[in-house]
Amino acid sequence: EVHLVESGGGLVQPGGSLRLSCAASGFTFSAYSINWVRQAPGKGLEWVSYISSNGDTKHYADSVKGRFTISRDNAQNSLYLQMNSLRAEDTAVYYCVRGSCGDCWAIDYWGQGTLVTVSS
Amino acid sequence: EIVLTQSPGTLSLSPGERATLSCRASQSVDNNNLAWLQQKPGQAPRLLIHGASSRATGIPDRFSGSGSGTDFTFTISRLEPEDFAVYYCHQYGRSPRTFGQGTKVETK
Repeated sequence: EVHLVESGGGLVQPGGSLRLSCAASGFTFSAYSINWVRQAPGKGLEWVSYISSNGDTKHYADSVKGRFTISRDNAQNSLYLQMNSLRAEDTAVYYCVRGSCGDCWAIDYWGQGTLVTVSS
Repeated sequence: EIVLTQSPGTLSLSPGERATLSCRASQSVDNNNLAWLQQKPGQAPRLLIHGASSRATGIPDRFSGSGSGTDFTFTISRLEPEDFAVYYCHQYGRSPRTFGQGTKVETK
């Protein structure tokens, strides 16, 4: 069974940094692309970032470009999102979402999410 | 970016009724790369339909999708009690990937 477990969320001040992690199990992690998608409280879904299966290709939403960095460690079956210069509008539940193949933009399985709150 | 507009915003129906949801794209969605997701309160979204009309693994056949280009439709043939939720369309054919604002299917 595909399992994605996010961690690392919490309360951070504006301008601060946070690193999110996603631990994967139940599938061959190195064979799949992964995304981060976020959802502000009471709002809709926003795609944040994408990384291909081998880590060579990375994409970012304009709203986070230059502030967030996606990475992965295939040996550890883990995905990361380094978030710097955080703003109030980055407050959201962040989901780790599997792509349906190595270079696929299509998504399938979602983790349960981790809440990031940016506030003073 | 491709803007997805879902209608209606809220659909009030009874169990056993048919639900029809619309998703209109501001530009043609490449290769019908459109998905439908279900989200229940306090839960992560779940993939129901990909490629505009293909059901994801384990999804019951009362859920179906159709359409192409800029106009897509999602149908629940007979609503079950567990189907009352928010539904999102999502295009992954062009970057940035985008989502519709959601349609809430609520109990009448």
